Amino acid sequence: EPEVTQTPSHQVTQMGQEVILRCVPISNHLYFYWYRQILGQKVEFLVSFYNNEISEKSEIFDDQFSVERPDGSNFTLKIRSTKLEDSAMYFCASGAGTDSYNEQFFGPGTRLTVL
Amino acid sequence: AQSVTQLGSHVSVSEGALVLLRCNYSSSVPPYLFWYVQYPNQGLQLLLKYTTGATLVKGINGFEAEFKKSETSFHLTKPSAHMSDAAEYFCAVTTLGGFQKLVFGTGTRLLVSP
Repeated sequence: EPEVTQTPSHQVTQMGQEVILRCVPISNHLYFYWYRQILGQKVEFLVSFYNNEISEKSEIFDDQFSVERPDGSNFTLKIRSTKLEDSAMYFCASGAGTDSYNEQFFGPGTRLTVL
Repeated sequence: AQSVTQLGSHVSVSEGALVLLRCNYSSSVPPYLFWYVQYPNQGLQLLLKYTTGATLVKGINGFEAEFKKSETSFHLTKPSAHMSDAAEYFCAVTTLGGFQKLVFGTGTRLLVSP
């Protein structure tokens, strides 16, 4: 069964460093999303991406964040200069857009730890 | 704006007992409602969804949920808990149209004891 994959599973970085989180969505999907979950808190929407551009972003998704679909398979989230408060689990999701509610399929997540 | 409230960050049941996880939502337009389950070190897996039609929806692993518009609720139930049901459960809401970001509740950890 097709699934969304994410790498790495765990990333440790120093404050101020750049990190790139990678996702491989399900191959025929057209809608892509990033969510994050700070430990003990709710899963929060960051950004949605369709047709090679951002379709919606939350107030969390400031200038330090960017997304890219560099080729036909990967979808990346970049944080330019990490802060302690960026430590969280980051989930990628994709959807086919073929049904009215656009079911989203989630990857296993990347745990980002900023020291 | 939409929001979801899940009452109880932890719910403990004995194996074989009824499972009831509560979810209330707020939405100014007809909602689409979801329950996701997260097992340790895994991603979010869709358990069940309500979009339109029948208000009692059945999902995987014997779970079901009932959409009650008058109560703005979408509680998750299972008649008899199994040890394998121990996980984190998230209720989420979205609406028709747009790119349909999901708005999640804070999650409920289900603990099942022998």
